[in-house]
Amino acid sequence: EVQLVESGGGLVQPGGSLRLSCAASGFTFSSYWMSWVRQAPGKGLEWVANIKQDGSEKYYVDSVKGRFTISRDNAKNSLYLQMNSLRAEDTAVYYCARDGVFWSGYYTSYYFDYWGQGTLVTVSS
Amino acid sequence: QSVLTQPPSVSGAPGQRVTISCTGSSSNIGAGYDVHWYQQLPGTAPKLLIYGNSNRPSGVPDRFSGSKSGTSASLAITGLQAEDEADYYCQSYDSSLSVRVFGGGTKLTVL
Repeated sequence: EVQLVESGGGLVQPGGSLRLSCAASGFTFSSYWMSWVRQAPGKGLEWVANIKQDGSEKYYVDSVKGRFTISRDNAKNSLYLQMNSLRAEDTAVYYCARDGVFWSGYYTSYYFDYWGQGTLVTVSS
Repeated sequence: QSVLTQPPSVSGAPGQRVTISCTGSSSNIGAGYDVHWYQQLPGTAPKLLIYGNSNRPSGVPDRFSGSKSGTSASLAITGLQAEDEADYYCQSYDSSLSVRVFGGGTKLTVL
């Protein structure tokens, strides 16, 4: 059974830092792209970042570029999100998600086939 | 304001059929990028419902179906049940933004 378990959320002051972790089990972690997706309170979903199987490629939404860093440790089956210079607008539940791949014959599309339970990050003074 | 537009809410009585639309543009759905759907029950994490426009993962009832045409996609739920009450999100890729994008979500109420 695929399991993704996030940890590391909490209350942090504006400008502060936080490191989120995601422990994966039930599948070959090193074979999948992985993502972080966030959801502000009462709002919709927003993709934040993703990372290739070997960590050689990383992509970010513009609003977190230069502040957040996604990484992984395949030996520990773990995904991380280092968040620096946090702002009030970063307040959200952060989900770890596994990337699924679908080939339609025209494009390769990526979706999120498994999600963790989420960890709440609150940025407030 | 989301790149993909969904109605904020829809409702239906038990046993009825409801549809949720997801409208995009020429840089996402209209460009041929696939649409995926997620169900988020109250207080829980999202769950994959439909991938690749119309494919159901193992375990998802066939009451749920998806389709895509032009710059829009739709999620249909037949035989509505009380446990279907949730938020539903569509997701695709936008080539102008170079990111995966979500719709704003639709709250389904079972009357």
